[in-house]
Amino acid sequence: QVQLVESGGGVVQPGRSLRLSCVASGFTFTNYAMHWVRQAPGKGLEWVAVIWYDGSNTYYADSVKGRFTISKHNSKSTLFLQMNNLRGEDTAVYYCARGRGAKGFEPKCFDLWGQGTLVTVSS
Amino acid sequence: DIQMTQSPSTLSASVGDRVTITCRASQSIDIWLAWYQQKPGKAPKLLIHKASNLESGVPSSFSGSGSGTEFTLTISSLQPDDFATYYCQQYSSYSWTFGPGTRVEIK
Repeated sequence: QVQLVESGGGVVQPGRSLRLSCVASGFTFTNYAMHWVRQAPGKGLEWVAVIWYDGSNTYYADSVKGRFTISKHNSKSTLFLQMNNLRGEDTAVYYCARGRGAKGFEPKCFDLWGQGTLVTVSS
Repeated sequence: DIQMTQSPSTLSASVGDRVTITCRASQSIDIWLAWYQQKPGKAPKLLIHKASNLESGVPSSFSGSGSGTEFTLTISSLQPDDFATYYCQQYSSYSWTFGPGTRVEIK
């Protein structure tokens, strides 16, 4: 069925790195912009990063710019988030989400979400 | 970045009540606003896109309105499954932002 499944979360020390993965199934992954969104414990939603459907462009929230990198492996229908120099404030559940509507370069809302993976940054 | 606010932050209501949540943007976002429902421990679910368009499969008891900087989400008759937290989100720029959320709880 149509779904997104994240993995790669865990406990990591401040300053270290972690890579999250999101495997897509049930739809043509190459046709959709893909996002990462996070939610700190007991807090609201924060958009993190986007990669265009063709991989031609990426955008990041100011809070992660220069530390996080979003990428995709189209043949494996997999989205990644490389997180470097992690901080305590990066502790959150990280969701991958699909931009609503195939192709195009205009901003879209998110119509499909994964179940999330928890990242805890702590010494 | 465009800032989003929501009111109220918490809403106590009973089954069958009509409830309205307001979302405001710090600058005009035309109709590029979405509403999401989130239940504890679950991912958000898209309810409304382009301010007033109901996502497929979402009950018609949900409706959205507004444009520019002020938007509303209305649930015409609250059902037990509707008790959750609701977020608005603007997508008018390449820096998506969410409102802080409105928790709808049982009165």
